[in-house]
Amino acid sequence: ETGVTQTPRHLVMGMTNKKSLKCEQHLGHNAMYWYKQSAKKPLELMFVYSLEERVENNSVPSRFSPECPNSSHLFLHLHTLQPEDSALYLCASRAGGETDTQYFGPGTRLTVL
Amino acid sequence: GENVGLHLPTLSVQEGDNSIINCAYSNSASDYFIWYKQESGKGPQFIIDIRSNMDKRQGQRVTVLLNKTVKHLSLQIAATQPGDSAVYFCAENSGYSTLTFGKGTMLLVSP
Repeated sequence: ETGVTQTPRHLVMGMTNKKSLKCEQHLGHNAMYWYKQSAKKPLELMFVYSLEERVENNSVPSRFSPECPNSSHLFLHLHTLQPEDSALYLCASRAGGETDTQYFGPGTRLTVL
Repeated sequence: GENVGLHLPTLSVQEGDNSIINCAYSNSASDYFIWYKQESGKGPQFIIDIRSNMDKRQGQRVTVLLNKTVKHLSLQIAATQPGDSAVYFCAENSGYSTLTFGKGTMLLVSP
């Protein structure tokens, strides 16, 4: 276990549904990340939060809405998604400062029907 | 643009052999590199990292080599085991607190 947990592990939703992905880190880190992993493509960075402030939004459509209520929790709110949004969504955390190493959760496998 | 890429998409080896997975990078300003292992159904797992002031770093059964002259990174796994079968990613730091990942190499270990 890496100390980063994600729920749910699997999610199937229709295009009109609203759902949320949750990430929690137990490492005392102060930076958290959302990534999208699609088949045969490199990991795509979506959002970066540092000390609960969003420091990067990598041109992600507004149907994805992140929330970071504190340094241990990160959410990704989903609304009116498209079938092409089906992917593995990974959360990662980093200690902060000069440390570059990111530690990943197990991911949420999302299927949009 | 700048990118991180892998030479071989799939590497098949026999149990007990040594494995070498390669990675090319193009951003000469990158000063930190990391290897991850991703097993089926799991998130990427940290294996080993290296900073640009080093050219070699060893872990348990793994060694990372960095050649800054040709912008090349490799991961060597000694005495490869079936449990090593996974996709391996290299990544480089690419800006404020971010990493850029390669596509990955699938390592298949036969008993």
